[in-house]
Order: sequence, then C-alpha cells, then structure tokens
Amino acid sequence: DTEVTQTPKHLVMGMTNKKSLKCEQHMGHRAMYWYKQKAKKPPELMFVYSYEKLSINESVPSRFSPECPNSSLLNLHLHALQPEDSALYLCASSLLQGAMGYGYTFGSGTRLTVV
Amino acid sequence: TQLLEQSPQFLSIQEGENLTVYCNSSSVFSSLQWYRQEPGEGPVLLVTVVTGGEVKKLKRLTFQFGDARKDSSLHITAAQPGDTGLYLCAGGQGGSEKLVFGKGTKLTVNP
Repeated sequence: DTEVTQTPKHLVMGMTNKKSLKCEQHMGHRAMYWYKQKAKKPPELMFVYSYEKLSINESVPSRFSPECPNSSLLNLHLHALQPEDSALYLCASSLLQGAMGYGYTFGSGTRLTVV
Repeated sequence: TQLLEQSPQFLSIQEGENLTVYCNSSSVFSSLQWYRQEPGEGPVLLVTVVTGGEVKKLKRLTFQFGDARKDSSLHITAAQPGDTGLYLCAGGQGGSEKLVFGKGTKLTVNP
C-alpha cells in the first residue's frame, strides 16, 4: 500500500458546524502533515506530527484541531470555521520527519467549502 | 525564511516542444523535490535530488540539482498533453522539520 487516503473528498459546512477530516496511511511512515492549499497557490504547512506527537503548529487558529490517534491515522477537527478557510486540505506522510531525501506522499485532499 | 523562486510562473506550449522550469534560492538545501499536481488532486512526487550536481532522468523529464545546492531545473523533452499540470519544487534542510515549496509553474501542453 503506497497511498495516503483522505476522506471525505468534498465537504460543505456551515460556520457553526463541527466536522472532521480524516487521513490514513499504511506505509509505516512516522511523520504526518496537514497542509492547506488555496487556489493557484502552493501548499502551506499547518501541522506536523512525528511519532504521533505534535511537533509543529504553524500558528494555526484554534478552530483547527489536529489529532493523531495512532501511527496510521491523522484527523483534523474543524469548528466555527470562516468562509476564508475554504480551501483544499492535504494530508501527507513521510518516512521520518526531517528525512528530506525520501519525499512526501500526499493524499488527494479534501475540498472544503465553508458557507 | 528560505524562499524558493520558480520560473516561469505560467508556460503554454505546443505538443512536441521542449521546456525548462527553474527553481532558485539564496539558501542551501540538503535536498530538492519536484512534484506535479493536477487540479483537485494532491501533489505527486516526481523525484528527489540530494547531491550537488546530481542529474536524474525520468523518461522525458530531466532533473538537475545545482552544484551549490541552491537551485534546480526540470527539463521536459517533446512535451505531451499529459504533461499538463502544476509543477512544484520543494526544498528541505537536513534536520529541518519543514518542506519549503516554490509557488509553482503551471504548464499547459496543447495538442
């Protein structure tokens, strides 16, 4: 299995809703990442987990709450989002954090629309 | 903050033409990665280069890492419509916890 699977693929939510994005990989990668990508822009790092522990939070607002239940799963809990949070949310994994020579494997993303 | 400058930002060519995309920085990177992204999908890793001066080939794609490890190029020979997409370079520093992305080159290959 060489994939990162993200669900759902599309999500429309209201500003008062609570929803979660899910990410799963079975490659034995020990670093997992959440990125946000706006249209026509490169991915922006949000969070990094290394060995199931949060190691980087790029000053992301608290309405985004990451969770890593085990080495294969990564969640992003969403609450009270704003329309400007609408974007493609990408999950990625790599063998080890900082081991840049191995490259990242990205999921297909969740297209989030906040109404 | 390490910055990666990609050029050109947009490129529209005819099938069969050759092209080169550049990725430049004032910082030294321990590795450079190239990704291709199609609309609505996540980036897909094409190659990782780690040694200064390294050249890697992937069918019609040739990737080069500069001797000083501050720049990289992607050359496509005889481009095909299937090469259309957003090409992203990304750099990492040894021990760094972050991958820095360039702004991307949007390539369109017309039949």
